[in-house]
Amino acid sequence: DAGVIQSPRHEVTEMGQEVTLRCKPISGHNSLFWYRQTMMRGLELLIYFNNNVPIDDSGMPEDRFSAKMPNASFSTLKIQPSEPRDSAVYFCASSPNTGGKHYEQYFGPGTRLTVT
Amino acid sequence: GQQVMQIPQYQHVQEGEDFTTYCNSSTTLSNIQWYKQRPGGHPVFLIQLVKSGEVKKQKRLTFQFGEAKKNSSLHITATQTTDVGTYFCAAGGGAGSYQLTFGKGTKLSVIP
Repeated sequence: DAGVIQSPRHEVTEMGQEVTLRCKPISGHNSLFWYRQTMMRGLELLIYFNNNVPIDDSGMPEDRFSAKMPNASFSTLKIQPSEPRDSAVYFCASSPNTGGKHYEQYFGPGTRLTVT
Repeated sequence: GQQVMQIPQYQHVQEGEDFTTYCNSSTTLSNIQWYKQRPGGHPVFLIQLVKSGEVKKQKRLTFQFGEAKKNSSLHITATQTTDVGTYFCAAGGGAGSYQLTFGKGTKLSVIP
């Protein structure tokens, strides 16, 4: 089991550029979560999908952020245009949630984003 | 949405001392999960508590869920340097929601 895969692991970009973060969840997991972690705000849920459908995107900071899950094995988080305050570690997590029962979330290694 | 307050924010202990972190909510929780994040790493699931008053143990770690399901605690007996990291509690969403709301975490430092 390869676990949750995220790419890139590190991204340094200039303000105004588009950034795309990628995630491959664990095979068979039907829930996928995008989190942002900073020292000030801790671990924040940005959006989560269930069976490839976005369920709750209330944590997405603003219209500059968008997320897609075109199929069960791939998701992207895009920031356009990026700003220095977007600098953070972005985690993707997946979970085999089903039937209304909560299961543990498996986190990927994260993408450390720096916007200069 | 649900909010969970976690205290303390930081804890420094001498190796061999005990450690406890607390998680509190103003609302009744359907379930609570605990995660550990090593420095530079990602959160790793430790345990899930669902029942009122539930107590679970994993070696030196003891997890409790309050009778009113509004608070939880993680206690580590005789800390070791391998226990270093940040411990998060996470509250499960209500009916039909699979999301978790994470506390701010307690960062544990262990002095050898």
